[in-house]
Amino acid sequence: NAGVTQTPKFQVLKTGQSMTLQCAQDMNHNSMYWYRQDPGMGLRLIYYSASEGTTDKGEVPNGYNVSRLNKREFSLRLESAAPSQTSVYFCASRRTVNTGELFFGEGSRLTVL
Amino acid sequence: RKEVEQDPGPFNVPEGATVAFNCTYSNSASQSFFWYRQDCRKEPKLLMSVYSSGNEDGRFTAQLNRASQYISLLIRDSKLSDSATYLCVGGGGNTGKLIFGQGTTLQVKP
Repeated sequence: NAGVTQTPKFQVLKTGQSMTLQCAQDMNHNSMYWYRQDPGMGLRLIYYSASEGTTDKGEVPNGYNVSRLNKREFSLRLESAAPSQTSVYFCASRRTVNTGELFFGEGSRLTVL
Repeated sequence: RKEVEQDPGPFNVPEGATVAFNCTYSNSASQSFFWYRQDCRKEPKLLMSVYSSGNEDGRFTAQLNRASQYISLLIRDSKLSDSATYLCVGGGGNTGKLIFGQGTTLQVKP
């Protein structure tokens, strides 16, 4: 029962480096989401994909790009990492954009020096 | 202003106490509401979905008030193991976004 799998779990980057966070779900869900969590801030929505082939901005999209590669996979890319992007990143999936609850991955802890 | 607002607390209560959390939401088209529990910044886990008619699961009761645009979570007979951060979520509907509140920290003490 993998559910939602995120890689990598930990990453340290230098300012200006790029990286991609990978997320895959095996529940045949249509909708997928990327959130970031900073201390005391709750989870903030970066981007989401209501269904395969669509992506939309969330609350804090600046500095990020996403790709919905297929129904299973939704990746988050940092083109030029900044210290302000140091955070814990959570991927989640949902049956559809209006049904079911969110299922989360274990999170990816990113530090940008 | 965030679409979903939540008092961050912390709430410090003794064992056995009843505690209530509220969240307000600004998007009247929101259709889906949930309460999640998060321990030590691990991934959030679903506590309850929130329905218009209200719903109860053991010591936990969730309610939705569409007229005033808020959701609530009531925890009765608090246990030490209830200590965690509780996150409300709202959205879906016309945008598909699911927005979290800031989270409320609960500390239950002996």
